[in-house]
Amino acid sequence: NAGVTQTPKFRILKIGQSMTLQCTQDMNHNYMYWYRQDPGMGLKLIYYSVGAGITDKGEVPNGYNVSRSTTEDFPLRLELAAPSQTSVYFCASSYPPGRQSNYGYTFGSGTRLTVV
Amino acid sequence: DQQVKQNSPSLSVQEGRISILNCDYTNSMFDYFLWYKKYPAEGPTFLISISSIKDKNEDGRFTVFLNKSAKHLSLHIVPSQPGDSAVYFCAASTDDYKLSFGAGTTVTVRA
Repeated sequence: NAGVTQTPKFRILKIGQSMTLQCTQDMNHNYMYWYRQDPGMGLKLIYYSVGAGITDKGEVPNGYNVSRSTTEDFPLRLELAAPSQTSVYFCASSYPPGRQSNYGYTFGSGTRLTVV
Repeated sequence: DQQVKQNSPSLSVQEGRISILNCDYTNSMFDYFLWYKKYPAEGPTFLISISSIKDKNEDGRFTVFLNKSAKHLSLHIVPSQPGDSAVYFCAASTDDYKLSFGAGTTVTVRA
C-alpha cells in the first residue's frame, strides 16, 4: 500500500526554469492538496482539488499551476522558477471532510526544491 | 497572517516525563483541531484530533486539551519516549477541508 507518492525527492532548478512535481495516491481519495513548508513556518496551502477536473487556489498559489485529470494524480507545475519558491513541497490526500474521517490527511514524503 | 501559532519552537524533555506542547489560534470559526507528527525526510502523519464541542480527547499516551474561551489547545504526551522525538504541528480547520498549520515544535526526548 504505497499511500501518497511524490517525485522527485530532491531537485535543484535554475531561475526561470520550469518543472512539474508529481503526486500520485492509491487510496481513491477525492481530495488532494499541495502544501509548501518554509523554514520556521507552518505548511501553507498552494492548491487543492476536491475531485477529478476540479481545482482551486489555496493561500499561496502565485507562481504555480495544477491539474487533476484523474483521481490518482495531482501534479504541481512551476513555470518560471524563482528563489522564493525554494521550499519543501508536500502533497496530501484525504476523504471528503467529516467527523468520521477526522480530517486525516495522508501526506507524501515531500520534494525538497532549491532554486538558484 | 498566522492564524495558528506555536510559540515554542523547541522542547526538550527527559524520557518518562510529560511533554506539553502548546498551540494558540486567532480564528474563532475554527471548529476542528489536529496534531501532526513529522520525522526528518518524511511527511507529517496524523496523531490526534479534537472537535470544538469537546474539551479533551485521549488516545493512549496522547491527550489533547481544548480551551475555546482562551483559543488555546495543548498536547500532552505521557510518558515521553525516545521515538517521540519529532516535529509536532498543530492544525485547525473551519467547516471546510483546508487546514491551517502552526510553525511546529521540535521535541527532543533525552535518555
